[in-house]
Amino acid sequence: NAGVTQTPKFQVLKTGQSMTLQCAQDMNHEYMSWYRQDPGMGLRLIHYSVGAGITDQGEVPNGYNVSRSTTEDFPLRLLSAAPSQTSVYFCASSSQGQGRYGYTFGSGTRLTVV
Amino acid sequence: GIQVEQSPPDLILQEGANSTLRCNFSDSVNNLQWFHQNPWGQLINLFYIPSGTKQNGRLSATTVATERYSLLYISSSQTTDSGVYFCAVVTGSARQLTFGSGTQLTVLP
Repeated sequence: NAGVTQTPKFQVLKTGQSMTLQCAQDMNHEYMSWYRQDPGMGLRLIHYSVGAGITDQGEVPNGYNVSRSTTEDFPLRLLSAAPSQTSVYFCASSSQGQGRYGYTFGSGTRLTVV
Repeated sequence: GIQVEQSPPDLILQEGANSTLRCNFSDSVNNLQWFHQNPWGQLINLFYIPSGTKQNGRLSATTVATERYSLLYISSSQTTDSGVYFCAVVTGSARQLTFGSGTQLTVLP
């Protein structure tokens, strides 16, 4: 049972480049979300999904796109990387099922934009 | 949106000491979570605690929803307790989390 798997763990991009951060979960959770963590701040919500084919914006969505074609996968796309997107990115999944109140986070992707 | 504030921002303890971390939130909530982020960055869900008190080993949490605060107690702290402790309020259709800015805990041997 792998939980939530994020790849890559580290990435350096040049300004203007695009890339996709991968997130996959094997727990059949319906809810998935992406957060970014900046120094001295808590995690902030970028995008989220309530199920396959359904996504919506969070607190800081600008510069990012998501899609959810399957229950398992929820990739995050940076369209044109900017230095302000230097951060640590976390993917999380959860479920509303009976007794299942917890969250599972991936190990994070540390992104540097130069 | 809802505001979540944590205190203190930093806490340094000697091994064996007890501590209390506080989380205030600006509106009524149905679901509050506590997380621990270890020094390697991994986030672990500690408690689901919308109200009342729960205990798990040396850790316990209390939420007083009517007064809009939650407390996390750590007893007989160990060096492995070091890291950042976050509280987060659950909102929305996808159980999105609104996080506080965290308490950085350092336990010295």
